[in-house]
Amino acid sequence: DAKTTQPPSMDCAEGRAANLPCNHSTISGNEYVYWYRQIHSQGPQYIIHGLKNNETNEMASLIITEDRKSSTLILPHATLRDTAVYYCIVTEYDMRFGAGTRLTVKP
Amino acid sequence: GAGVSQSPSNKVTEKGKDVELRCDPISGHTALYWYRQSLGQGLEFLIYFQGNSAPDKSGLPSDRFSAERTGGSVSTLTIQRTQQEDSAVYLCASSPQGQSIQPQHFGDGTRLSIL
Repeated sequence: DAKTTQPPSMDCAEGRAANLPCNHSTISGNEYVYWYRQIHSQGPQYIIHGLKNNETNEMASLIITEDRKSSTLILPHATLRDTAVYYCIVTEYDMRFGAGTRLTVKP
Repeated sequence: GAGVSQSPSNKVTEKGKDVELRCDPISGHTALYWYRQSLGQGLEFLIYFQGNSAPDKSGLPSDRFSAERTGGSVSTLTIQRTQQEDSAVYLCASSPQGQSIQPQHFGDGTRLSIL
């Protein structure tokens, strides 16, 4: 059973913020929210993760709702190189990847 | 520093043959994971090693699949009597510990094609 729900695809204009949503309504207290992305023909790349609080690093920001049932990954200034499949995962240790969201950044 | 290394990067073999796929994790990482990704699909968990504990084999699709991790470092995934449905990219990942606070670092995978 899928623990997360993501839209299959999204478009974003280059230079604009990309906001990728994820629903995880059955998340348990010990599970973290992880985001990875996969560019064609490469292994998945870790982006960010969080438990309860919002997180920010050099790649992105993660906004987790207070009830933890959903989250949003924000790429503040999307570039063409951010075109990839983005995976949202809730987990204690093993990464059960779903189909993700295919983000296309357009010039 | 060196990331997760997988070999070979590509493997083509005939149906019915056995194959071995190798993963060299990041030095010092105690947790190691194998995944499979079929064309256009998400990742499918196969097996998880954590230190000297018994591996979690719950994702292995059949008894033709097995994996070993020698000396807590290098891992080998073996597929016996390969079938065409085994064609996929096999990905390995490692993390410092098998805990959710530690992100997994992935190799670029082995692309396996069964003729």
